[in-house]
Amino acid sequence: KNEVEQSPQNLTAQEGEFITINCSYSVGISALHWLQQHPGGGIVSLFMLSSGKKKHGRLIATINIQEKHSSLHITASHPRDSAVYICAVRGISNFGNEKLTFGTGTRLTIIP
Amino acid sequence: GAVVSQHPSRVICKSGTSVKIECRSLDFQATTMFWYRQFPKKSLMLMATSNEGSKATYEQGVEKDKFLINHASLTLSTLTVTSAHPEDSSFYICSADNQDRENEQFFGPGTRLTVL
Repeated sequence: KNEVEQSPQNLTAQEGEFITINCSYSVGISALHWLQQHPGGGIVSLFMLSSGKKKHGRLIATINIQEKHSSLHITASHPRDSAVYICAVRGISNFGNEKLTFGTGTRLTIIP
Repeated sequence: GAVVSQHPSRVICKSGTSVKIECRSLDFQATTMFWYRQFPKKSLMLMATSNEGSKATYEQGVEKDKFLINHASLTLSTLTVTSAHPEDSSFYICSADNQDRENEQFFGPGTRLTVL
């Protein structure tokens, strides 16, 4: 079992729909990241959160530390939101420094 | 703020040559940078953690003599793929810890390496 599980793996929706991507993790963490990767490969950090909820524009991220679960929501989705969304948790490596462990990503396609 | 650049963005080389990839934090200082490798449709795999002024720590299974990492300044880390072979072809991404932003990691745009 992966330490970070995302669902769904693939999601296709119509423009305007409300999107939810889920992330569950099984290790202790200091923070959780939501990242966006476009087809060109570049990765953009959307959120880093360790508790509660954060909002930026049409994006909302929530985390429940007790349940080890986070969700990323996109309101009024648009074709330009089409990308791979990656959940990554920050923990301590075997060497004692912090490292990110990544989920396998959710490929989102928004159809006009 | 918090921009990370990588150079080159794309490189094609012959088998046996060495390739150097640069990662720079443009508007912040980064004591820690990370090097990742990504295979098609797969998630990022941490190769090594690069600490300014000290040796990099490599993840299990990553050959330190094959992938040389140097972090000589607070804004620059380099990854050199030595004696590259076709199986080294991949997408390499760096990231940098921004201590002014609660150690949030910011990612470079990546370098696509193709070894012929």
